[in-house]
Amino acid sequence: DAKTTQPTSMDCAEGRAANLPCNHSTISGNEYVYWYRQIHSQGPQYIIHGLKNNETNEMASLIITEDRKSSTLILPHATLRDTAVYYCIVRDYLTGTASKLTFGTGTRLQVTL
Amino acid sequence: DAGVIQSPRHEVTEMGQEVTLRCKPISGHNSLFWYRQTMMRGLELLIYFNNNVPIDDSGMPEDRFSAKMPNASFSTLKIQPSEPRDSAVYFCASSLDRAPGERPQHFGDGTRLSIL
Repeated sequence: DAKTTQPTSMDCAEGRAANLPCNHSTISGNEYVYWYRQIHSQGPQYIIHGLKNNETNEMASLIITEDRKSSTLILPHATLRDTAVYYCIVRDYLTGTASKLTFGTGTRLQVTL
Repeated sequence: DAGVIQSPRHEVTEMGQEVTLRCKPISGHNSLFWYRQTMMRGLELLIYFNNNVPIDDSGMPEDRFSAKMPNASFSTLKIQPSEPRDSAVYFCASSLDRAPGERPQHFGDGTRLSIL
C-alpha cells in the first residue's frame, strides 16, 4: 500500500471547518483513500473513503485532487467532540480477500472554544 | 445494531500468566482483525481472518501469541506466557468484504492489558 504523509497536529476553532490534508503521491490506480479517527481511549472509527470522486456523508467530506496524489478531509462544523487523531490510509481494492490497514502516525486535531 | 464487542475491557495480570482476549464481530461480517496499540509503535496489525481462516499472521510478535476463530461470531487472542512488554491496548475489528474497495473496518473499544 502507498505511503501517506500528514501534518503532526492541527488546531481548529469550534464551529469552523476543519480541513485535514494528506499527501499520497505514490498512490496507484487500484488504491482507495480511507480516513479513520481515534478519539482518546476509543477504537478507531471509520469516517469516509473514496477512489477519485469527491465523497460526502453525514460525518465529513473527502476531496481528492484530479491526479489523486493528495486529498483533504473536511469536517464542516467542528465541535469539541471532533478532537481526535485522524488517519489517512490508502488501500488496494483489488485484493481478493480482506486487505489490511496500515496506520501511520496521523494528525492530532485539537478543536478549541 | 451491536458493534464489535470485546472482553474484558481491562485486564491486569502477573507475568507468566495466560491471557485470553475475546472478540465478537459484527453479525454478517466475514473478516476479522486483531490490532495492538502502544505509545512506542502505534497501531499495528497482528493477524487477520477471512471466512474464519487466518490470512496473514506476519504481525504476531512471537510464538507466545496465538489467535483462533472457531466460528464466524467469535475469536480469541491468547498470550502464553505473558510478559510486561505485552502491555498494550488490543483492538479487534471486523469488516464485510462484499466488493472490491467496500471494506471499512469497524473497531471494538479495545482491551487494555497490563502485565505486572
